[in-house]
Amino acid sequence: DIQMTQSPSTLSASVGGRVTITCRASENINVLLAWYQQKPGKAPKLLIYRASTLETGVPSRFSGSGSGTEFNFTISSLQPDDFATYYCQHYNRYSRTFGQGTKVDIK
Amino acid sequence: QVQLVESGGALVKPGGSLRLSCAASGFRFSDYYMSWIRQAPGKGLESVSYMTSSGRDIYYADSVKGRFTISRDNAKNSLYLHMNSLTAEDTAVYFCAKGKGSYGSVPVDSWGQGTLVTVSS
Repeated sequence: DIQMTQSPSTLSASVGGRVTITCRASENINVLLAWYQQKPGKAPKLLIYRASTLETGVPSRFSGSGSGTEFNFTISSLQPDDFATYYCQHYNRYSRTFGQGTKVDIK
Repeated sequence: QVQLVESGGALVKPGGSLRLSCAASGFRFSDYYMSWIRQAPGKGLESVSYMTSSGRDIYYADSVKGRFTISRDNAKNSLYLHMNSLTAEDTAVYFCAKGKGSYGSVPVDSWGQGTLVTVSS
């Protein structure tokens, strides 16, 4: 199975700051990668798919990049509503794996 | 809008069985693949199973293969997860989720609120 390694596991940032999370795949996954946001007690929310395509209604301060085995997720200017846990996920017809998650909290 | 409502979560003894249900509305259920994703208390997300819109292709995580069975009834707009031989490691909130398309080469884009399964003696 393809393994997804997400880092860091936790990061502290200030409102207005820039945040970058990295996700590495154990083998080439092309661009079949999504990013989700989850707040405590809530279901995850899809933010980005195909590595860099913004889901409808998601603010443009969120972005994704990468292909193959290395991917980045960036929040350009952190807002109070963005403090949450973020997950990457590889998906295809035969397998799907989440990264371990990155908790973004207030510095 | 898309609504997914899970039910069937309960406290069950190790070795026991349970069936989860997911009632879908707000979209053409038969056009989309559906998935079960779980989250153990305080832990990350794990894809448990998914089924294509036609029911022809099915995926199971290795951790549940041979014990869990996914099914769907497109006439009733419902998704199911039959769980057998439950262990403490199956304790989690189970989310029902809708795919962005009919096959698994797209992610899930809508989730239910989840139903809690607790396996304990």
